[in-house]
Order: sequence, then C-alpha cells, then structure tokens
Amino acid sequence: GAVVSQHPSWVICKSGTSVKIECRSLDFQATTMFWYRQFPKQSLMLMATSNEGSKATYEQGVEKDKFLINHASLTLSTLTVTSAHPEDSSFYICSARGDRGRGYEQYFGPGTRLTVT
Amino acid sequence: ELKVEQNPLFLSMQEGKNYTIYCNYSTTSDRLYWYRQDPGKSLESLFVLLSNGAVKQEGRLMASLDTKARLSTLHITAAVHDLSATYFCAVDFSGSARQLTFGSGTQLTVLP
Repeated sequence: GAVVSQHPSWVICKSGTSVKIECRSLDFQATTMFWYRQFPKQSLMLMATSNEGSKATYEQGVEKDKFLINHASLTLSTLTVTSAHPEDSSFYICSARGDRGRGYEQYFGPGTRLTVT
Repeated sequence: ELKVEQNPLFLSMQEGKNYTIYCNYSTTSDRLYWYRQDPGKSLESLFVLLSNGAVKQEGRLMASLDTKARLSTLHITAAVHDLSATYFCAVDFSGSARQLTFGSGTQLTVLP
C-alpha cells in the first residue's frame, strides 16, 4: 500500500504556456499533499502544502499566482505552472501524507521533469 | 531556524569498505527519515526513526537516531556498487503540517 502517482512523468513546453501536473494517492486518502521542486544536484525544496478543500500554503519566495495548486479531492492534487519560463525547468515531486495510522509518513510520487524551451 | 545538515556532501569509497553519513539537525524532532535517490528518479524510503536510540538495519545499511545530540547516522557496511546513489535525511520538526526539512544530500559513489 501507499502508492503515489504523478502525471505526466515528463513534459516539454514552450515559454509562456501553462502546464498541469497531477499527483494521486492510489490506495489511501490524503488530506495533505506536498509539492517539492528539485534542481540538478540539489536537495528537495518544499514549495507548498496542499490541503483538501482549502487553499494551499506556500513557502516563502514561491509565487502562488505562478504555481497554482488545487486539492480537489482526498486523492488528487494538481500543480499548474502558469506562463512557464526556462527558469521553471526542474524536477517536481509530490508527496501524500498518510494519516495517523500510517504515522503521518509522506509517500513520494515518481516525479515530473519539466523542461521549458 | 530549522536546519538539517548532512556530511559529507560527496563520498567516494571502495567496495568492501565501511563508512558513515551524518545528519545533524537544529531543534527538537520526534521523527527522522532516510531516503535514497537514484539519478533521474524520485525518493525511495529507507528508514523511519521515531525515538531516541532507535536503530534500524536493512542489508548493508544501518541507521540510528540520538535525539539528545540531534544526530542521526547512516552506516554503510562492506559497500557494493549498487549502493551508489544520493542519500537524504529529512526531519519532521513537530508541527501539525508534519512538514519535512531535507538535508543537502550525500552523493555516494562506490568504486570497484
């Protein structure tokens, strides 16, 4: 149990377009999901905390109007990169947090590699 | 400030040798995680350490936690090439959101 999927696994888009990334918890419900960004050879940086049915909480320095997060159900959160630019190219990883029975452990998705040309 | 420091950042070792990766963190925590990341891949969970003195072992890897010293170690025994990867520790600094703060990662290369 505790499988998290992401779609797409990779995407190439042109500068100025928007891209949506989906994160799904396949076999458990997650009231909280997290979105991370990872640049090459660097650690994971938390972008935002996504809570089902409410607004996401963004980390300092992350533009909420650029990185739109929607947590529409207990198994799905989406991250939309609006008006993408080459500097947004990165590896985006989501995680879904298990409930108390799962020790609040975060289960990570396989990641989405975004390349903006 | 919530900080997690790993060292070394880079580690190159010979097969068959032992080594330890260290993870220090800045303030009280009741849970610490170790992950492995292969190039181009996401994180693979290795260990969850939930209490002072916790020790867990899986194959050639052993992790321990000393909450008083705010220190966790990941010990590699008789390294093999397949262990080459980047290893991250991450700390849950108690809070309702249960967010993780990651260390910088240790890039391990095991040489034949």
